[in-house]
Amino acid sequence: KQEVTQIPAALSVPEGENLVLNCSFTDSAIYNLQWFRQDPGKGLTSLLLIQSSQREQTSGRLNASLDKSSGRSTLYIAASQPGDSATYLCAGPQGGSEKLVFGKGMKLTVNP
Amino acid sequence: GAGVSQSPSNKVTEKGKDVELRCDPISGHTALYWYRQSLGQGLEFLIYFQGNSAPDKSGLPSDRFSAERTGGSVSTLTIQRTQQEDSAVYLCASSSSGGAGNIQYFGAGTRLSVL
Repeated sequence: KQEVTQIPAALSVPEGENLVLNCSFTDSAIYNLQWFRQDPGKGLTSLLLIQSSQREQTSGRLNASLDKSSGRSTLYIAASQPGDSATYLCAGPQGGSEKLVFGKGMKLTVNP
Repeated sequence: GAGVSQSPSNKVTEKGKDVELRCDPISGHTALYWYRQSLGQGLEFLIYFQGNSAPDKSGLPSDRFSAERTGGSVSTLTIQRTQQEDSAVYLCASSSSGGAGNIQYFGAGTRLSVL
């Protein structure tokens, strides 16, 4: 059974810092992993989807990596801004299914 | 529409009442998912529809929960005899097909409060 963990649960940083958000998963047969952003009172916005055949995906200031052998994914945020403040969730599929298993998220606060 | 639409955005009900939550997926998306987000449990899968196939109901927490999808588009999640522990945000997502490599696009959710 897939289990997804995100540590720490919250992070507060000054503006401009480069950040690394961690996600670990138990099923190394994972074939993709997604990172989402959730703003208060809103739904989830997909940030990046990494397939198992890829090692990295980049979108603007965001870069996500996937290491199946170690059961880890990281989301790198360059030059953080107050607008990056949100909860970030990672999710991987349950076995070979379409059902996503989510981490509990990491609440990021970027202070001006 | 441009995105996944859910209604109502907020629902307050009394314990024991039935509620219906609605989801309009992105036009043309064949796969539709319901998830529940609660403070203690995080985000949990509830049910998945793909085309005309039988839905995957493996995440429904009890037989008080049911969902249907009419005409392969709009879906309704029904909770009968609501309990306080049903209070949560119910999120709907759709994807272009049911393949596990497809991005799921989420609606803003329905916040359900059971008094």
